Amino acid sequence: EVQLVQSGAELKKPGESLKISCQGSAFTFTNAWIGWVRQKPERGLEWVGIIDLGSPIIHSPSFQGQVTLSLDKSINTAYLQWSSLEASDTAIYYCARLPYGRWWNAFDMWGQGTMVTVSS
Amino acid sequence: QSALTQPPSASGSPGQSVTITCTGTSSDIGGTKHVAWYQQHSGKAPRLLIYDVTERPSGVPDRFSGSRSVYTASLTVSGLQAEDEAKYYCTSYAGNNNVVFGGGTKLTVL
Repeated sequence: EVQLVQSGAELKKPGESLKISCQGSAFTFTNAWIGWVRQKPERGLEWVGIIDLGSPIIHSPSFQGQVTLSLDKSINTAYLQWSSLEASDTAIYYCARLPYGRWWNAFDMWGQGTMVTVSS
Repeated sequence: QSALTQPPSASGSPGQSVTITCTGTSSDIGGTKHVAWYQQHSGKAPRLLIYDVTERPSGVPDRFSGSRSVYTASLTVSGLQAEDEAKYYCTSYAGNNNVVFGGGTKLTVL
């Protein structure tokens, strides 16, 4: 089955680091960027950024310097990481596939989401 | 506050048509063809319905259609079905590596 599978829910304290993952098949990572979207509880969607090997990572200005996107195409896995979490990072984070040729907001496949809770 | 403005709610009876609007500015909707719409059922990931204003990905029923007039994009759902009850989000490229979303519209099928 063609899908993106994300790592499980995380409960962290402020100041801690975190790396969440998004694994797909060779198909999902071929001819596509991988993007991340944030959704705070009972709130709307926010575009974090997109990544592909061999291309500059494109971050939303709101997330530049706040998170790190990375990609390991040898194992079809993308990552989103924080070096020092804040309570305001509490949200669901989705990874999604962006096929080549589509613009940055046209994700055609999504992971199930990873709930990140930051609380002391 | 979201960059794009959507009505918080919309409703219609089965079989009817409903149009959801999304208002922006010349910096986003009015200045790009890269406007998209997503459907999100409660507790689920979003699903792409429309991209580049009017394009429908394979597998999306033609009951869903998109359009744009100046600074307002619209999503029309024809022949409403119970399964269409969900939240709908618009999104637009806004320049300078910026992609913005609307606050979402909750569609209720009466």
